[in-house]
Amino acid sequence: QQQVKQSPQSLIVQKGGISIINCAYENTAFDYFPWYQQFPGKGPALLIAIRPDVSEKKEGRFTISFNKSAKQFSLHIMDSQPGDSATYFCAAVPSTSGSRLTFGEGTQLTVNP
Amino acid sequence: ETGVTQSPTHLIKTRGQQVTLRCSSQSGHNTVSWYQQALGQGPQFIFQYYREEENGRGNFPPRFSGLQFPNYSSELNVNALELDDSALYLCASSLQGLGIYGYTFGSGTRLTVV
Repeated sequence: QQQVKQSPQSLIVQKGGISIINCAYENTAFDYFPWYQQFPGKGPALLIAIRPDVSEKKEGRFTISFNKSAKQFSLHIMDSQPGDSATYFCAAVPSTSGSRLTFGEGTQLTVNP
Repeated sequence: ETGVTQSPTHLIKTRGQQVTLRCSSQSGHNTVSWYQQALGQGPQFIFQYYREEENGRGNFPPRFSGLQFPNYSSELNVNALELDDSALYLCASSLQGLGIYGYTFGSGTRLTVV
C-alpha cells in the first residue's frame, strides 16, 4: 500500500529552469514531510523538510509548498543546475513513530546544460 | 570516524541462502534503522533498533531479522533468500529524540539474488 504518491517519475529541465516535483499522502497521522536527494551509489541525504503548520518553507534555491487540506506538498528547485541532477524522494513521518519514514517512489531529475 | 559505513558494498547470493549485512553507525548515534530500496523505488522501512532491541518494524516477514550491538553497530540478516530480495539495503543511524534531523544514511549494500 503506497501511502505517499510522487510524480512525475522522471523530469528533464534546462539549466536555469524551475523543477517541480509533487507528492500526495493519505495518512493524516503524518506530520512531518522531508525531501531527500540521492545520487547514484549514495544513500539519500536530507534536503529540506516542513511541518503542516506552515504553507511554505524556503532554503536557498529549494522551496517546499504544503497544502494541508489537499494533503499535497511539492518541491520547487529554482535556477536548476546540472549538479542538481539526482533522484528526489518525498517522505512523510508521523511524530508518534519517531523516525520511521514512508517514502514516495522517487523522481529522477536531469538538468541539461 | 564520521558517517555511516555499510559492508559489503555489493553481494551476490543464490536463492535460498542466508545473508548478513553490516552497519557501523555514525559516532554518537544510538539508533539504527534499516530500509530496503528496490530498483526504481523509494526506500521501505524494515525495522529500527534502539538500545539493542527492535523498536518498530515495517511490513517485512520474520526471515528479516536484525541485531544491534553495545557499540550501536547493527546487522541485518535475511534467511531463505528470494529473488525479490534483490535490492539496495540502506542503514540509517540517528540519535534517539532528534527525529529525522539526526538521520544519516549509509551508501548501502547492493544485494543480488540469483
